[in-house]
Amino acid sequence: AQSVTQLDSHVSVSEGTPVLLRCNYSSSYSPSLFWYVQHPNKGLQLLLKYTSAATLVKGINGFEAEFKKSETSFHLTKPSAHMSDAAEYFCVVSARRGYNKLIFGAGTRLAVHP
Amino acid sequence: DADVTQTPRNRITKTGKRIMLECSQTKGHDRMYWYRQDPGLGLRLIYYSFDVKDINKGEISDGYSVSRQAQAKFSLSLESAIPNQTALYFCATSDPLGEINYGYTFGSGTRLTVV
Repeated sequence: AQSVTQLDSHVSVSEGTPVLLRCNYSSSYSPSLFWYVQHPNKGLQLLLKYTSAATLVKGINGFEAEFKKSETSFHLTKPSAHMSDAAEYFCVVSARRGYNKLIFGAGTRLAVHP
Repeated sequence: DADVTQTPRNRITKTGKRIMLECSQTKGHDRMYWYRQDPGLGLRLIYYSFDVKDINKGEISDGYSVSRQAQAKFSLSLESAIPNQTALYFCATSDPLGEINYGYTFGSGTRLTVV
């Protein structure tokens, strides 16, 4: 069975400082992993994905994530936060056999302060 | 126009009323999904459909029903709304060949309040 745990429900950073959003996963199969972002009153947008190619994955808006199988982690990082990064972020795991059902984490709300 | 359109965007309804949330897509995807989002719980799958004749229950289907009227349309109904169905509802689509690389495409959501 697949599951995903986002270790922080809220993260607050100052503009220009690094962002770290933590995600651990559990999967019976080789997983595909995604990060989605949800801005206020918007739908979910795919930020980046891991699909068994390079373990360091680069996404949009300067975000990247590293797949670490030994730690079952897929943490999202950004070197320098921007005010526009304030949003809710979801870590998502999908089995890569048969139906690719998405399992969502509970979400991490990122606040960025001037 | 958005790839996945949900209507209405916001709705307030009374307990016991029947309500339908609609979703249409222009992606040409066969697979469509309904999720609900509750604070602190992420998104949970209500129903999904792989084509017009293939509809499946998700993890929280009780109290909901769906209709896949066409490849592009997937409606969610609450037969008798109750307050704990107050949530943000998302429709999503996917292409089985592209799921791994592109994930799902989500609509902007319908905020439903049951009073």
